[in-house]
Amino acid sequence: SYVLTQPPSVSVAPGKTASITCEGNTIGGKSVHWYQQKAGQAPVLVIYYDTERPSGIPERFSGSSFGNTATLTISRVGAEDEADYYCHVWDSSSDHRLFGGGTKLTVL
Amino acid sequence: EVQLVESGGGLVQPGGSLRLSCAASGFIFSDHYMAWVRQAPGKGLEWVGHTRNKAHSHSTDYAASVKDRFTISRDLSNNFLYLQMGDLKPEDTAVYYCARVESGGDDAFDVWGQGTMVTVSS
Repeated sequence: SYVLTQPPSVSVAPGKTASITCEGNTIGGKSVHWYQQKAGQAPVLVIYYDTERPSGIPERFSGSSFGNTATLTISRVGAEDEADYYCHVWDSSSDHRLFGGGTKLTVL
Repeated sequence: EVQLVESGGGLVQPGGSLRLSCAASGFIFSDHYMAWVRQAPGKGLEWVGHTRNKAHSHSTDYAASVKDRFTISRDLSNNFLYLQMGDLKPEDTAVYYCARVESGGDDAFDVWGQGTMVTVSS
């Protein structure tokens, strides 16, 4: 079965750029979506179809995907970005949906 | 306003059953895939299953961990999504979210409910 691997944690200083990766076999050929989940809250979609931002999501959030790695990039990180981030793909072979294990972003 | 509101969570004994509800509003319910996603305490998100849109006859799929124990259904008259859970196990303890799929296929979950907690314990 298809597996998505994320680093458990990423730390970044305020004002710097954070990159969160999601690895999967030929993930560059799939559509990758990213969610932000703050403590005690429901997830929120921040990037869909690899690079698209929903309305209301700051331009500081961007995404890319190539080969075996998809990446969520957050520029000019602020305290408000501290959260868990999850990648998500659809596995066409099973018609099932998969999440990565999640990455906790800590703003130092 | 597009909104999803879950209800029905609670404490249930192992082997028991529970039905979760999700009230949908602000959009054409039958046009969208709808899914259930759960999150065990301190753990990540896990897709539970989905029901497809009207164009795909509202058919369903389930994760292996819940297949044959859980059933997803819709009340199209009242715009409710349900998750009927049976033979519950302690490892089913989680917050259960209903989520709208933007359209279908490989689309994102673009709207989420606030979640309802299910605790399976004796």
